[in-house]
Amino acid sequence: EVQLLESGGGLVQPGGSLTLSCAASGFSFGTYAMAWVRQAPGKGLEWVSAINDRGSPNYAHSVKGRFTISRDNSKNTLFLEMNSLRPEDTAIYYCTKDAGYSSGWYGDYWGQGTLVTVSS
Amino acid sequence: QTPLTQPASVSGAPGQSITIPCAGTSSDVGGYNFVSWYQQHPGKAPKLMIYDVSNRPSGVSIRFSGSKSGNTASLTISGLQAEDEADYYCSSYSTSITPWVFGGGTKLTVL
Repeated sequence: EVQLLESGGGLVQPGGSLTLSCAASGFSFGTYAMAWVRQAPGKGLEWVSAINDRGSPNYAHSVKGRFTISRDNSKNTLFLEMNSLRPEDTAIYYCTKDAGYSSGWYGDYWGQGTLVTVSS
Repeated sequence: QTPLTQPASVSGAPGQSITIPCAGTSSDVGGYNFVSWYQQHPGKAPKLMIYDVSNRPSGVSIRFSGSKSGNTASLTISGLQAEDEADYYCSSYSTSITPWVFGGGTKLTVL
């Protein structure tokens, strides 16, 4: 059974930093692209960042230069390092596994999310 | 303002069919067949319902179908059931400033 378990969320002041982790199990982690998608309270989904199986990253314009995605295939873990956090980064952050259906990114498994709150 | 435009809400009676449009541009929906749809129940993580415009993942009901015409993609749900009541989001690859974009979401109410 595929499981994705996020951790690392919490309350942080504007300008602060936080690193999210996603522990994956139930599939061959190193052979799939992974991504982070966030959802502000009461709002819609926003794609944040993805990393392919070779470690090549992509970022949304809103986080480029502030967030860094990485993965440790030996530990089946995905990370999102977030710096220079802003109030508008407040959201539930979901870890997702790419389905691998085609060249497109499709999240076929999602974690339950971890809440990040940026506030003074 | 979200890159892809969806109606805020749609509704239908049990057994009826509804269609949710997702309007984009030639830089996203119209230019590529990397369109997907997600279903999200309150307090739950999203679930992939359609990928590559019209393909269903294993386990998704055949009542869900996707299509595209020009710059607009659509999700059709036939034979509405109470369990279909949820938020639905479209997503597409984009050559704009962000590679993957979502619509603002549509709340489906089953009357």
